[in-house]
Amino acid sequence: EAGVTQFPSHSVIEKGQTVTLRCDPISGHDNLYWYRRVMGKEIKFLLHFVKESKQDESGMPNNRFLAERTGGTYSTLKVQPAELEDSGVYFCASSQAGGRARNEQFFGPGTRLTVL
Amino acid sequence: SQQGEEDPQALSIQEGENATMNCSYKTSINNLQWYRQNSGRGLVHLILIRSNEREKHSGRLRVTLDTSKKSSSLLITASRAADTASYFCAKGRTGSARQLTFGSGTQLTVLP
Repeated sequence: EAGVTQFPSHSVIEKGQTVTLRCDPISGHDNLYWYRRVMGKEIKFLLHFVKESKQDESGMPNNRFLAERTGGTYSTLKVQPAELEDSGVYFCASSQAGGRARNEQFFGPGTRLTVL
Repeated sequence: SQQGEEDPQALSIQEGENATMNCSYKTSINNLQWYRQNSGRGLVHLILIRSNEREKHSGRLRVTLDTSKKSSSLLITASRAADTASYFCAKGRTGSARQLTFGSGTQLTVLP
């Protein structure tokens, strides 16, 4: 079974540019999460999708960040315009729809974003 | 920190020894999950313990949870050089929110 995949693995952009990160969850997982770890800080929650709906976006830092999950399959996270402080590793995770298994989140390898 | 603390921040042991990492938290939890991250790689899910459980085992891993002290520990027995990694505890909230709250992690080095 394929795990959570993320693309690209690395992205280097200049301040003011736009970057779009993609996450493909484990097939059949309705829950999809975005997290990020900026330099020297803890991994922080950004938002949670249940299928195509945003369940919780309380962790989104500002309106430069836009997440979508059209069709309830893969998700994209766009940063526009990127700022220096956006540099870090962006992780995606997914979990099953219901029951006790929905708590167990499986993470992708992350996208390392560097804003110059 | 609102998210609690993990200790130690770094741990260096010899192969074959046991490694114990601790995690504390401040708010109520539904579950607590431990993850491993090898250098430059993704997070690997190790084990989940629910708030009504006290101990759980998986291979060489043993996790305990003390909700009265709001703390958990991860024990790795008979450590191997391949266990060298960062270990994170992540707290799952109660209620409908499913987000995980991560600690700062423990960097474990197992010397051959």
